[in-house]
Amino acid sequence: ETGVTQTPRHLVMGMTNKKSLKCEQHLGHNAMYWYKQSAKKPLELMFVYNFKEQTENNSVPSRFSPECPNSSHLFLHLHTLQPEDSALYLCASSSIGTGGGSNQPQHFGDGTRLSIL
Amino acid sequence: AQKITQTQPGMFVQEKEAVTLDCTYDTSDPSYGLFWYKQPSSGEMIFLIYQGSYDQQNATEGRYSLNFQKARKSANLVISASQLGDSAMYFCAMREGFSGSRLTFGEGTQLTVNP
Repeated sequence: ETGVTQTPRHLVMGMTNKKSLKCEQHLGHNAMYWYKQSAKKPLELMFVYNFKEQTENNSVPSRFSPECPNSSHLFLHLHTLQPEDSALYLCASSSIGTGGGSNQPQHFGDGTRLSIL
Repeated sequence: AQKITQTQPGMFVQEKEAVTLDCTYDTSDPSYGLFWYKQPSSGEMIFLIYQGSYDQQNATEGRYSLNFQKARKSANLVISASQLGDSAMYFCAMREGFSGSRLTFGEGTQLTVNP
């Protein structure tokens, strides 16, 4: 069983719908991330949360709204998406300390494959 | 300039042979870490191996090893004794700075292992 769980695995929605992606980590990590992976493109970092605080927003459109209620849960709220938003959305978590991220890898969930009609 | 470059969009290897996947990086920070991930067609990203910029020896993890050439800024992944289950996308990623948590990924290499 993966330490990072994402739901749903697949989501099809219309452009006017509102939906949310959920990520939960069971690894005791204190940093969580959202990535977007489009076909034939590198992973694009969207948001970073360290100790529940957003530390990075990588110029993501406001139709994507993250929420991190605690260190174990991360949500991505979706509203009025565009067809180009169809992609695999990956959540990751890692352990960072006051000394830095050092050699700790990010652990990823299985992703949510999102299709916008 | 791209921070992580993977020049091989696709690679093929015969089962049981070794294969090298290339990765070059660009950073001015003396402290950084390099990671390799495997992504099967199912989508999950699986961490394989890590190399720190101050590590004196090349990292090894089972059948995976990292050919780290710091002066050339390359961190190639070597997979020995390839198996059919190794067929997947492979991504090289870099974390810059001692306290950073952000990873920058390359475009990936699609590896196909032939029987």
